[in-house]
Amino acid sequence: QSVLTQPPSVSAAPGQKVIISCSGSNSNIGNNYVSWYQQLPGTAPKLLIYDNNKRPSGIPDRFSGSKSGTSATLGITGLQTGDEADYYCGTWDTSLSAVLFGGGTKLTVL
Amino acid sequence: EVQLLESGGGLVQPGGSLRLSCAASGFTFSNYAMNWVRQAPGKGLEWVSTISGSDGRTYYADSVKGRFTISRDNSKNTVFLQMNSLRAEDSAVYYCAKLLSTLPGYDYWGQGTLVTVSS
Repeated sequence: QSVLTQPPSVSAAPGQKVIISCSGSNSNIGNNYVSWYQQLPGTAPKLLIYDNNKRPSGIPDRFSGSKSGTSATLGITGLQTGDEADYYCGTWDTSLSAVLFGGGTKLTVL
Repeated sequence: EVQLLESGGGLVQPGGSLRLSCAASGFTFSNYAMNWVRQAPGKGLEWVSTISGSDGRTYYADSVKGRFTISRDNSKNTVFLQMNSLRAEDSAVYYCAKLLSTLPGYDYWGQGTLVTVSS
């Protein structure tokens, strides 16, 4: 059971928008930066969002991140079949002195 | 072009040891913290360890503390993970990852190396 809670799965139609949530506590999300990753089957994770809402170069603005209190969200607009993947949130936990990842959310583009 | 190339994985018996290496290129290695993240088959991501760029401060997950040691050789642009007293639950793909800014914003990952602990 992960300290960071993500929904196991989400789905939406091509072209639509989806939001993936990540819930934590004051010792992690509440006081530290959040990152988001996309992992396609059989490949290494890819950084989508860092420092809550920044995109690395090359990541399209269809991907966005936000944080409020002890929760963070990843938004994906204009869904494409190529977006089907597992998505993970991550952050530092000050009390545990450890990096935490959420359990992952499988996105299905119907 | 940034590249991270892991090596050293394989099959090992419980209680055994392995040393993973990650050779980096395409960036000023000593300026960046380096990390190991693992993923058991069919499971999620699990942070293992971090080593800072210049002063070599290290951090470990509780699950590996006292058994694993992370180190780096800035002259060879390589980070290592010495894994001792291996257990079945350590079986996973081990990824080397470069930290972009704050944890855990890893902007580059290696292809991963598979560690299997089994008798």
